[in-house]
Amino acid sequence: DSGVTQTPKHLITATGQRVTLRCSPRSGDLSVYWYQQSLDQGLQFLIQYYNGEERAKGNILERFSAQQFPDLHSELNLSSLELGDSALYFCASSLTGDGHQPQHFGDGTRLSIL
Amino acid sequence: AQSVTQLDSQVPVFEEAPVELRCNYSSSVSVYLFWYVQYPNQGLQLLLKYLSGSTLVKGINGFEAEFNKSQTSFHLRKPSVHISDTAEYFCAVSERGQAGTALIFGKGTTLSVSS
Repeated sequence: DSGVTQTPKHLITATGQRVTLRCSPRSGDLSVYWYQQSLDQGLQFLIQYYNGEERAKGNILERFSAQQFPDLHSELNLSSLELGDSALYFCASSLTGDGHQPQHFGDGTRLSIL
Repeated sequence: AQSVTQLDSQVPVFEEAPVELRCNYSSSVSVYLFWYVQYPNQGLQLLLKYLSGSTLVKGINGFEAEFNKSQTSFHLRKPSVHISDTAEYFCAVSERGQAGTALIFGKGTTLSVSS
């Protein structure tokens, strides 16, 4: 058990809809990362937050947004969903957000767009 | 831009045989290196990391990896594999000194151990 909790585990919705994925980091970790895993693109970094502030941005679409709340949990919002957004979305957390601290991953949210 | 190449997409091996999963990275700056394992329907679990110091790094489950700066490689090895090692293995890199510390992953190597 990594200590990172993601909900829901599975999500099935239709094109055009909006969903919210939730992540609770390990106790004490200040930094949260979001990754997308798909068969064609592999594991891709989306966005990082550190103590409530955006720290780094990767290949995140404009239709996607995220935030980290004062209690350090994070939410990833996906809107105007397309078939290609079907993927496994992982949240990871680390203590300080520095590169030498390993990232600990949740079990992911599997998003299926019908 | 950084990139990570895992040279083998699939590695089949018999139980108790040795295995090496290859990883090369491309970066013009100093990096931190990681290997993660993903079992079916689970998240990624850290196997080992190289931050600095000794180039031979030991991790969990009997795995080790060697950092080779001149060849920009970080190959993962295990002298004797078990059926339970069957999983997807990912090599990842992050840049030192960056304010943002995203992991750049390779495409993964599927290790299949059979009896």
